[in-house]
Amino acid sequence: AQSVTQLGSHVSVSEGALVLLRCNYSSSVPPYLFWYVQYPNQGLQLLLKYTSAATLVKGINGFEAEFKKSETSFHLTKPSAHMSDAAEYFCAVSSSGGSEKLVFGKGTKLTVNP
Amino acid sequence: KAGVTQTPRYLIKTRGQQVTLSCSPISGHRSVSWYQQTPGQGLQFLFEYFSETQRNKGNFPGRFSGRQFSNSRSEMNVSTLELGDSALYLCASSLTGGNQPQHFGDGTRLSIL
Repeated sequence: AQSVTQLGSHVSVSEGALVLLRCNYSSSVPPYLFWYVQYPNQGLQLLLKYTSAATLVKGINGFEAEFKKSETSFHLTKPSAHMSDAAEYFCAVSSSGGSEKLVFGKGTKLTVNP
Repeated sequence: KAGVTQTPRYLIKTRGQQVTLSCSPISGHRSVSWYQQTPGQGLQFLFEYFSETQRNKGNFPGRFSGRQFSNSRSEMNVSTLELGDSALYLCASSLTGGNQPQHFGDGTRLSIL
């Protein structure tokens, strides 16, 4: 069975500081990995996806994530936080076996302080 | 291109009632998935439809059902509502499923009194 663990339900950074949101996955088959962002009262917006083409994945809004198979990790980073980055972030995994089901982590709420 | 549209945005029901939620996918998308989001359980997969057939199902009781129409629009029905069904219900669409990125609507907030 697949699972996702996001370390830290709340992360707080200063504007301009590095953002690092942690995600570890468990999958018995090669995974597809995704990061989504959710703003208040909205649905989820796709930030980026890993589909085995490249281990470093660049997404929207300056975010990127690196797939590390040996660590079963897919951490999300952004060099310089902006106030508009304040939101909840979800890491998700699906199997490469054709499952359309996404398994989500519990989410990390990012606060950006001025 | 219009995004995924979910109606209604907010709904208030009482225990024992039933409810139907609607989802219109992005034009051309044939796969529609439904998720339940609650503070305690997070985001949980309900089911996925493709070409009017349920292709995948999560671990929810039979009170939760859905269907998909020939135009790919989907509805989700919950019967005999319980207090624990209060949640944000999210619909997501993709071209054909199969690990393609899913595009989410803004959800329907269901409150059970």
